[in-house]
Amino acid sequence: DAGVIQSPRHEVTEMGQEVTLRCKPISGHNSLFWYRQTMMRGLELLIYFNNNVPIDDSGMPEDRFSAKMPNASFSTLKIQPSEPRDSAVYFCASSFQVRDWDTGELFFGEGSRLTVL
Amino acid sequence: EDKVVQSPLSLVVHEGDTVTLNCSYEVTNFRSLLWYKQEKKAPTFLFMLTSSGIEKKSGRLSSILDKKELFSILNITATQTGDSAIYLCAVIGSSNTGKLIFGQGTTLQVKP
Repeated sequence: DAGVIQSPRHEVTEMGQEVTLRCKPISGHNSLFWYRQTMMRGLELLIYFNNNVPIDDSGMPEDRFSAKMPNASFSTLKIQPSEPRDSAVYFCASSFQVRDWDTGELFFGEGSRLTVL
Repeated sequence: EDKVVQSPLSLVVHEGDTVTLNCSYEVTNFRSLLWYKQEKKAPTFLFMLTSSGIEKKSGRLSSILDKKELFSILNITATQTGDSAIYLCAVIGSSNTGKLIFGQGTTLQVKP
């Protein structure tokens, strides 16, 4: 199993540009999470999908952030327009959820490090 | 608001020392607590705890949960330089609809 695959691994962009981060979860997993990690705030959940449906997007900072999961094997996180304060490592994680509260073990991708100048 | 607080935030020890990392939480209808280890890249799963007083053990690492006092500890005995990492604690509550709420993490550095 290849694990959770994220791309790009690194992205450097200028303020105002659109950024799209991509994630391929582990085959068979039914839950997908986007987290953002910074030194100041640690790991913050941005959005969580179950069976391709967004369940909780309360962590999405503002309208500049959007996420989609068109099918069970692909998700995107888009930032438009990007700002320097969006600089962080963005992790995608997937799991197999049995009950509505039982996320089980999360498997993380290696992250996308975003730098907005 | 649900929250997870870890302590200490950072710790420096020497090889062979034993360390105890702490995690306290406030969450609606607690379901489970998880420990992760993060080295240079992605967090990797260590333990999942759901019941009080039952120790989970894996090699030199062990963890226990106290649901009455709302905390967990992660012990590492005979530390090695390879244990240097960020240790993350996360909780799931029924109001969280399955999402993990992470603490800030404890950065452990083990010196030779």
